Amino acid sequence: DAGITQSPRHKVTETGTPVTLRCHQTENHRYMYWYRQDPGHGLRLIHYSYGVKDTDKGEVSDGYSVSRSKTEDFLLTLESATSSQTSVYFCAISETYRGGSPLHFGNGTRLTVT
Amino acid sequence: SQQGEEDPQALSIQEGENATMNCSYKTSINNLQWYRQNSGRGLVHLILIRSNEREKHSGRLRVTLDTSKKSSSLLITASRAADTASYFCATFGGSQGNLIFGKGTKLSVKP
Repeated sequence: DAGITQSPRHKVTETGTPVTLRCHQTENHRYMYWYRQDPGHGLRLIHYSYGVKDTDKGEVSDGYSVSRSKTEDFLLTLESATSSQTSVYFCAISETYRGGSPLHFGNGTRLTVT
Repeated sequence: SQQGEEDPQALSIQEGENATMNCSYKTSINNLQWYRQNSGRGLVHLILIRSNEREKHSGRLRVTLDTSKKSSSLLITASRAADTASYFCATFGGSQGNLIFGKGTKLSVKP
């Protein structure tokens, strides 16, 4: 398995609170991604990063922000959590450009917003 | 925006049988990838097939790509209970800036 660690694995939080999810990789891959997975929607890209301090929006970026201060760490922040952000969040990494090589996924963070 | 769409949504077979899953997509692609997801885990990459390739094999997996029909199929031969998982196709290319995933086929292999 690619060295990708997501933390926490599970989190329950209240509406309106900020939440930060962390993704840590040991592969030194340039590209990192945050996806959310919901029944009936499959996987949807939230944000991605193409290098330290270089990030861009994905398909469903509203309400989320990201930061990448080191190659190995990619943080996803829900600025003010809402119930619609209850989901399973996956971090992924890839060696080359965004769809040109396989993605390697972490095991996910299950977030519940009450 | 969903690009690939898997068919069927769910498939139940006996151990030893072959399982075929299909993926259709709408726009031109550079490559198409298949992933497996076991319950409670992240996706695992299976095969990447480029637009100029027609068929690829990996162990018991065979993937075909027909760009004229904008479709791909994943065949798992001699299935095992351990193959029970959801299988996703993902496409990249054309106007897509990133990999776009379908909603998946849920495969159940009964021992």
